[in-house]
Amino acid sequence: EAAVTQSPRNKVAVTGGKVTLSCNQTNNHNNMYWYRQDTGHGLRLIHYSYGAGSTEKGDIPDGYKASRPSQENFSLILELATPSQTSVYFCASGDWAGGSSYEQYFGPGTRLTVL
Amino acid sequence: SQWGEENLQALSIQEGEDVTMNCSYKTYTTVVHWYRQDSGRGPALIILIRSNEREKRSGRLRATLDTSSQSSSLSITAAQCEDTAVYFCAQGGSAKLIFGEGTKLTVSS
Repeated sequence: EAAVTQSPRNKVAVTGGKVTLSCNQTNNHNNMYWYRQDTGHGLRLIHYSYGAGSTEKGDIPDGYKASRPSQENFSLILELATPSQTSVYFCASGDWAGGSSYEQYFGPGTRLTVL
Repeated sequence: SQWGEENLQALSIQEGEDVTMNCSYKTYTTVVHWYRQDSGRGPALIILIRSNEREKRSGRLRATLDTSSQSSSLSITAAQCEDTAVYFCAQGGSAKLIFGEGTKLTVSS
């Protein structure tokens, strides 16, 4: 059973439109994360959360909002989508792995195209 | 090698060869994660190595961590076609990870 799921898997949006990407995890992890991955590059952290009701800014938060209404769900919101936000978005949940380490478990990704 | 502003690196080898991928990082870290990403899928953790381990093995995989040189490596012994993937190192040590740009490994028969 997939522990981190994302919806939709593919999305085409128009410039200026609102986009909501959803993530659900059944790992019962406190931490959840949103990343974007552009072609030929690594993952960059957008927002993350330590638990229900909490959201924190990552390294590239501009143009994005996040919402964590429950332990299981974490959403990424683009209020005014722009073509520069065309990318693949990954959600992850995180668990303490001992010491100061946290393992992260990723969803399958959402491919977003903004026209 | 990965990190900083480098673009995705690419390696092509033949089945049966050994290969090593390297990461170097700018800030001190005691934990490095190695992830594998298959085409069209999310990354999956394959090895997590801590500074007190220096070397860690998992099957044909071997990871090292050298805190003095601020570098880590991932080696694959006798690579197989199914090892074809993008491999990322990530600097850990907190709830956040800092990912490198990745190495695209292609193994041909």
